[in-house]
Amino acid sequence: DAKTTQPNSMESNEEEPVHLPCNHSTISGTDYIHWYRQLPSQGPEYVIHGLTSNVNNRMASLAIAEDRKSSTLILHRATLRDAAVYYCILRDPNFGNEKLTFGTGTRLTIIP
Amino acid sequence: GAGVSQTPSNKVTEKGKYVELRCDPISGHTALYWYRQSLGQGPEFLIYFQGTGAADDSGLPNDRFFAVRPEGSVSTLKIQRTERGDSAVYLCASSLLGRAPQYFGPGTRLTVL
Repeated sequence: DAKTTQPNSMESNEEEPVHLPCNHSTISGTDYIHWYRQLPSQGPEYVIHGLTSNVNNRMASLAIAEDRKSSTLILHRATLRDAAVYYCILRDPNFGNEKLTFGTGTRLTIIP
Repeated sequence: GAGVSQTPSNKVTEKGKYVELRCDPISGHTALYWYRQSLGQGPEFLIYFQGTGAADDSGLPNDRFFAVRPEGSVSTLKIQRTERGDSAVYLCASSLLGRAPQYFGPGTRLTVL
């Protein structure tokens, strides 16, 4: 699996936008970029995924660089409930590799 | 609707004992996964079921670990002769298809004394 690199931790003020970066310089043409998050004492939760175009859903937005070597998860207005570890994961749907390969993620702290 | 449930939520056992961890996936989800998570680390893949069969068991650390899903729904992860290093949170996830987003349960915290 292609590797992703994320900062270990980030802080943001409540009600401010948050931009969580992810580098994936060895991404292949068929890899999708997935984001999951894990709130304290819970299992991971799917957030969003995309291939080339930017994506929006009710939870977040995903901005993908034109060369696809990096992406950014955007929380438009952080709340205290967004405090979690955020994982950026690459998945190749054509390879038959259904498992998720998690790194250590970014621990997001929200300051009230 | 009901999410993925796992029982027990906590399990404390002694070294050398046998344990079973249960996962109830979301109804209708054909794919089921087991992961384990050690403190400070991301989840680590163990095994993936498509229906009743194990499609990928490459993550099972050794032959003390075994999982079944006899009717294509509930799954049981079985650990024989537990060791202190098996202590972790065991997570189960399910998805509609093999490559769809995965939905995780709350996990079972296993402590081997």
